[in-house]
Amino acid sequence: DGGITQSPKYLFRKEGQNVTLSCEQNLNHDAMYWYRQDPGQGLRLIYYSQIVNDFQKGDIAEGYSVSREKKESFPLTVTSAQKNPTAFYLCASSSNRVDTEAFFGQGTRLTVV
Amino acid sequence: GEDVEQSLFLSVREGDSSVINCTYTDSSSTYLYWYKQEPGAGLQLLTYIFSNMDMKQDQRLTVLLNKKDKHLSLRIADTQTGDSAIYFCAETFSYNTDKLIFGTGTRLQVFP
Repeated sequence: DGGITQSPKYLFRKEGQNVTLSCEQNLNHDAMYWYRQDPGQGLRLIYYSQIVNDFQKGDIAEGYSVSREKKESFPLTVTSAQKNPTAFYLCASSSNRVDTEAFFGQGTRLTVV
Repeated sequence: GEDVEQSLFLSVREGDSSVINCTYTDSSSTYLYWYKQEPGAGLQLLTYIFSNMDMKQDQRLTVLLNKKDKHLSLRIADTQTGDSAIYFCAETFSYNTDKLIFGTGTRLQVFP
């Protein structure tokens, strides 16, 4: 079955450590996205990639980094520079056509202690 | 700007209709979406409407779009306890099809 997979579901890290969240899709989608969700706020775009080896900053890219070496993979690294990393992170993918939906992963809840 | 706003909470009795509202500021939107998020889960697309449509119905779901007032609503008929979740509206734009702009989400609580 086609889909988008995030792992792990829950992640705990100590303050000051970098951590990488995984996102894999087998839908042959060109575009992939990372969003962050905080209580009482809408989803905010961190980074997105329309094609392999290319990515763009979203609205809140500071303290995050990404790579897109393969079409099916778009890992997100939360660096120690991110001031408030504890949040729920959602990965999504879509074809680049405007009339198609985005498919979302199940999310990773990151807690930094 | 690309702001999308929703009320934060809605509480309804099982069997009643629920209406979740969304307002947006940018009239360049192309598609408007409703997503459902259940506790601890990712987002699930419920339905979407193209910006030149006024209404779309899909089983228990009815989407109404008022472009003049930049207002989108989702009506759930015969609301069930399984409908309890957070509902997000989202939009994409003709000038930037790369990203979805999401609303703040409305938490729907259905009680017996």
